[in-house]
Amino acid sequence: DARVTQTPRHKVTEMGQEVTMRCQPILGHNTVFWYRQTMMQGLELLAYFRNRAPLDDSGMPKDRFSAEMPDATLATLKIQPSEPRDSAVYFCASGPPLAGGNNEQFFGPGTRLTVL
Amino acid sequence: KNQVEQSPQSLIILEGKNCTLQCNYTVSPFSNLRWYKQDTGRGPVSLTIMTFSENTKSNGRYTATLDADTKQSSLHITASQLSDSASYICVVSGLSSSYKLIFGSGTRLLVRP
Repeated sequence: DARVTQTPRHKVTEMGQEVTMRCQPILGHNTVFWYRQTMMQGLELLAYFRNRAPLDDSGMPKDRFSAEMPDATLATLKIQPSEPRDSAVYFCASGPPLAGGNNEQFFGPGTRLTVL
Repeated sequence: KNQVEQSPQSLIILEGKNCTLQCNYTVSPFSNLRWYKQDTGRGPVSLTIMTFSENTKSNGRYTATLDADTKQSSLHITASQLSDSASYICVVSGLSSSYKLIFGSGTRLLVRP
């Protein structure tokens, strides 16, 4: 049963600390997405990778957020320094190579981040 | 601005009853529309995906309809079960950036025994 996995599932940290979230996409998928979900804003796209190359990170605050794919099986999202307004659930999603434009995305379980 | 609006915001129904959730969008040009189900504490799971040429698609007790002319979609749930309690999110992607999904704010459904 292929699934996107994310670690940690929960993270509580203090303002100013570095936070790293990890995602393992489904084997064979070549697109990876990072989303943030809050009650106020719903789901927002932070970053998009295809074949490990970052194609769109326009939704990400550049001064404190960074996203990378060190290899095809690992995507990371870092926040440094973290702020209370970063508290949210961060989802990773992966998708198979584009076929017909129906770019299906499979979501992981999310990392619930709380910054105190 | 591309938008996706859903109604109602929340809904409570009795187990076994049917319900219909609505979605209006302004995304143009349009690529596809999908409905996701999100259980509490979990990631969204795709229920249906429809392109502009499709006007209905079913997945078990879930049936989605699409009117590309009026830019409206609905999700009908038949014979609801307690496990249907979740948020249902309407998501649209445009032709220009098909990877970029535009999410509605969701309808929170509670099915009561």
